[in-house]
Amino acid sequence: DQQVKQNSPSLSVQEGRISILNCDYTNSMFDYFLWYKKYPAEGPTFLISISSIKDKNEDGRFTVFLNKSAKHLSLHIVPSQPGDSAVYFCAASRSLNNAGNMLTFGGGTRLMVKP
Amino acid sequence: KAGVTQTPRYLIKTRGQQVTLSCSPISGHRSVSWYQQTPGQGLQFLFEYFSETQRNKGNFPGRFSGRQFSNSRSEMNVSTLELGDSALYLCASSLLAGGAGTQYFGPGTRLTVL
Repeated sequence: DQQVKQNSPSLSVQEGRISILNCDYTNSMFDYFLWYKKYPAEGPTFLISISSIKDKNEDGRFTVFLNKSAKHLSLHIVPSQPGDSAVYFCAASRSLNNAGNMLTFGGGTRLMVKP
Repeated sequence: KAGVTQTPRYLIKTRGQQVTLSCSPISGHRSVSWYQQTPGQGLQFLFEYFSETQRNKGNFPGRFSGRQFSNSRSEMNVSTLELGDSALYLCASSLLAGGAGTQYFGPGTRLTVL
C-alpha cells in the first residue's frame, strides 16, 4: 500500500507562474514532511521541510503547506523558473527518536517550466 | 563541508555475483540510510544505521545487508544478485537520530545486473 502518493506524474507551467505540486499521505503517524528535487542519475536535493506542528513553511520561492486533517501537503514555487524543471518527491517520516530516519517517498511529479 | 559521497558511481555485475557499495556521510553525521530507486517501485527505504547499529530495516530480502563503521562510513552488500536488483542505490546522512532530521543524499551508485 502506498502511504505517500503524488497523484500527478507530471506538471507543465509557464515561466514566472506558480507551480503547485501536491502530495497525500495515509499514515497518521507521519509528522515530518520533506520535499526533494531530483535530476536524472543524481541524488535527491533537499528543498524544504515542515513539521506537523506547523501548517506553512517558507524558504525563498518555495512554500510548503500542510493540511493535517486532509492528510495533504503541497509545494508552491513562485515564480517558477526553467531551472526548476526536475522531478519533485515528497517524503514523510515519524519524528520520534526511536522511529529512526526512515523516509517514505511519493512516486514523484515531473515539473516542466517552459520559458 | 563535503557532501555525501558514494563509491563506485557505476557498477556492472552478472547474476549470482555479490556487490559492496560504500557511503561516506557528511562530516559529523552519524545516521546513514540506504534507499533503492527503480522505475517500477520508486524510492524505497532499505535500512538505516546509527552509531554502528541498524535501527530500521525496510521490506527487502536478507540478500541485502549493511554495516556502519566507527567513523560513520557505511557499506551495503547485495549477495546472489538478481536482474531485478538493477537500480540506483542512494545513501543519505543525517545529523539527528530521530525522524525529524533532514536527510542529505549522495549522488548514488548505478548498479546494472546482467
